Amino acid sequence: ETGVTQTPRHLVMGMTNKKSLKCEQHLGHNAMYWYKQSAKKPLELMFVYNFKEQTENNSVPSRFSPECPNSSHLFLHLHTLQPEDSALYLCASSPPKGTLGEKLFFGSGTQLSVL
Amino acid sequence: GQQLNQSPQSMFIQEGEDVSMNCTSSSIFNTWLWYKQDPGEGPVLLIALYKAGELTSNGRLTAQFGITRKDSFLNISASIPSDVGIYFCAGQRVGGGADGLTFGKGTHLIIQP
Repeated sequence: ETGVTQTPRHLVMGMTNKKSLKCEQHLGHNAMYWYKQSAKKPLELMFVYNFKEQTENNSVPSRFSPECPNSSHLFLHLHTLQPEDSALYLCASSPPKGTLGEKLFFGSGTQLSVL
Repeated sequence: GQQLNQSPQSMFIQEGEDVSMNCTSSSIFNTWLWYKQDPGEGPVLLIALYKAGELTSNGRLTAQFGITRKDSFLNISASIPSDVGIYFCAGQRVGGGADGLTFGKGTHLIIQP
């Protein structure tokens, strides 16, 4: 248990569906992240939030829409996805800069399948 | 962008054997991290390295921060079945935060009883 909880663990959706992924952290961290993990590829950073403000968007298509209402919660809203978006979506959090070496703490991920 | 070359891509070993894997980069990093990912779970941090030449152990795991700051090694001694999983290295660039981590593609460790 890393202190970062993701729901749902598995999600199957059609290309016309709208769904949301949820992430919660109870570690007191101020930064939260969305990563995409595809087979045989390095982890891809999608979005970064620091103190609820988005600080990075790595050219992610607009069909992925993040939301960070507070430092403990992070959402990823999905709509009109493509089959190639099928992957494991990982949420992570990290402590403030300069503390604990700025390590990432990951959730268990949501395994997403787009049909 | 920066890339890490992690090798080997996969390893098939017998229980009890020692394991070695490494990551190399063309860029200098000021932090190296090693994560393990069990099936169906997210990566979990194993070892963090902050200084060139640093050698750090965590039980049967030992990792080293290369002197050139462009590589890192992870060794597992006397492997056991629960060591199965994917091991990732991650390098953090100078002045970068956690959002500045670059990950390797992972080493799949498979242990035959």
